[in-house]
Amino acid sequence: GDSVTQMEGPVTLSEEAFLTINCTYTATGYPSLFWYVQYPGEGLQLLLKATKADDKGSNKGFEATYRKETTSFHLEKGSVQVSDSAVYFCALSSTGANNLFFGTGTRLTVIP
Amino acid sequence: SQTIHQWPATLVQPVGSPLSLECTVEGTSNPNLYWYRQAAGRGLQLLFYSVGIGQISSEVPQNLSASRPQDRQFILSSKKLLLSDSGFYLCAWSAGTSGSGADTQYFGPGTRLTVL
Repeated sequence: GDSVTQMEGPVTLSEEAFLTINCTYTATGYPSLFWYVQYPGEGLQLLLKATKADDKGSNKGFEATYRKETTSFHLEKGSVQVSDSAVYFCALSSTGANNLFFGTGTRLTVIP
Repeated sequence: SQTIHQWPATLVQPVGSPLSLECTVEGTSNPNLYWYRQAAGRGLQLLFYSVGIGQISSEVPQNLSASRPQDRQFILSSKKLLLSDSGFYLCAWSAGTSGSGADTQYFGPGTRLTVL
């Protein structure tokens, strides 16, 4: 079945450090891929998405590229800020499916 | 623009008591609606989804039920809560038609439920 495997955390970085959170997936067909972010005490917000191979989603300095050959959608940011501290979820939506499959989430803490 | 509301924001209930959580969506018609649960330290688990009024699909057997009495209203219920029902409950919506954007889900602020 469809699934998402996400880098386990927690991840602690200093401000302005480079961030990578790994995400790989298993799916039949051609899924859409997402990164959601959950700030403390809040619901999930869509951070970025990509709907086909080689697409790059980007938002707020974060980027992720849909790599079909490696079934990956790694999240990157060149310089993190304290305000980026949150839990990040990778997710996929299969063609014709009615739900998202989520990874377990990666908690990021950025220290000044 | 579309907005999604959930209430209450927090809830503390004794074991064996009933539960009713409500979710409403504004600014769209015939959305797909979803209930997820996020247990402490774990990822999200899809509980129910609905593609229309009165149409509910359950993803996992459990102590909970869902109903959709109106197009943009989705209710999560239980007759008798268990300790294991504690968690963060998230409602989400997506466009009700296939095509661009139908795969993206938008989440409400969540309800934190503690069962004692």
